[in-house]
Amino acid sequence: AQTVTQSQPEMSVQEAETVTLSCTYDTSENNYYLFWYKQPPSRQMILVIRQEAYKQQNATENRFSVNFQKAAKSFSLKISDSQLGDTAMYFCAFMKPSYSGAGSYQLTFGKGTKLSVIP
Amino acid sequence: GAGVSQSPSNKVTEKGKDVELRCDPISGHTALYWYRQSLGQGLEFLIYFQGNSAPDKSGLPSDRFSAERTGGSVSTLTIQRTQQEDSAVYLCASSLGWASGSWGTDTQYFGPGTRLTVL
Repeated sequence: AQTVTQSQPEMSVQEAETVTLSCTYDTSENNYYLFWYKQPPSRQMILVIRQEAYKQQNATENRFSVNFQKAAKSFSLKISDSQLGDTAMYFCAFMKPSYSGAGSYQLTFGKGTKLSVIP
Repeated sequence: GAGVSQSPSNKVTEKGKDVELRCDPISGHTALYWYRQSLGQGLEFLIYFQGNSAPDKSGLPSDRFSAERTGGSVSTLTIQRTQQEDSAVYLCASSLGWASGSWGTDTQYFGPGTRLTVL
C-alpha cells in the first residue's frame, strides 16, 4: 500500500515571501501521479499542481512549482510571492493508475499542512 | 461550467438513523469518487464509480455504507444506522475517466462536501 507523509502540520509565511511544503511517499510502483491540492476554509479541494512520475521536468503553475525527486520519493511544493489567498490546508496526494477494468484511480492523501500567510 | 455539487451542505442526525448524501458530478465526467475527511483519519477513499459500475468499493468501512450511481451521473452515498464515528465531511470528486482516453488518471475535481454530524 502507498503512504504519503507530510511532516509539517503547520507553517506560516510572510506575504510576498517564498515557502516550501514537504511531502514524501512510499511506493514500489514506477509509474504514478502526484498532486498538490489546496483546501481553504470553504472546504472545496482545489488542484494546485500535478506531476507525472515518468516526466523528469518539474511541473510549474504560475507561482507554484514542485521539486520532484523520484529516487528520494520526495515531492515538495514551492509557493513564490505568497498571497493572503494562499492561506489554506495543503494536501499532497498519490495516485497509482490501474490499467484494467477492475482497478481504480483513488487518491491517497497525506495528513495535510496548514499554511498561514501573514500580512 | 458548473462544478461538482453536493447536498446537503450540512446534515445533523441522531445515532441510529439512516442518511443519504448526494453528489452531482461535472457534466460529461464518467468517473466519480467518494472520500471521507475526518479529524482522526484524514482523507480516506471510500468508493469509485466508472459509469454506473463500482469497480472499487474497497474503502467502504462497513456494510452500513453503500453507494449507487444512476444514469452515469448523480450518485448517492447511504449510511444506515449511523454511529457517532461516522461524523465527518464526505467529499465527492469527478473526472473524465475513461472518456478522456487517459484511463482515469486525469484530474479529479472535488465538490464542497457534506458535513455529517451524528449526535
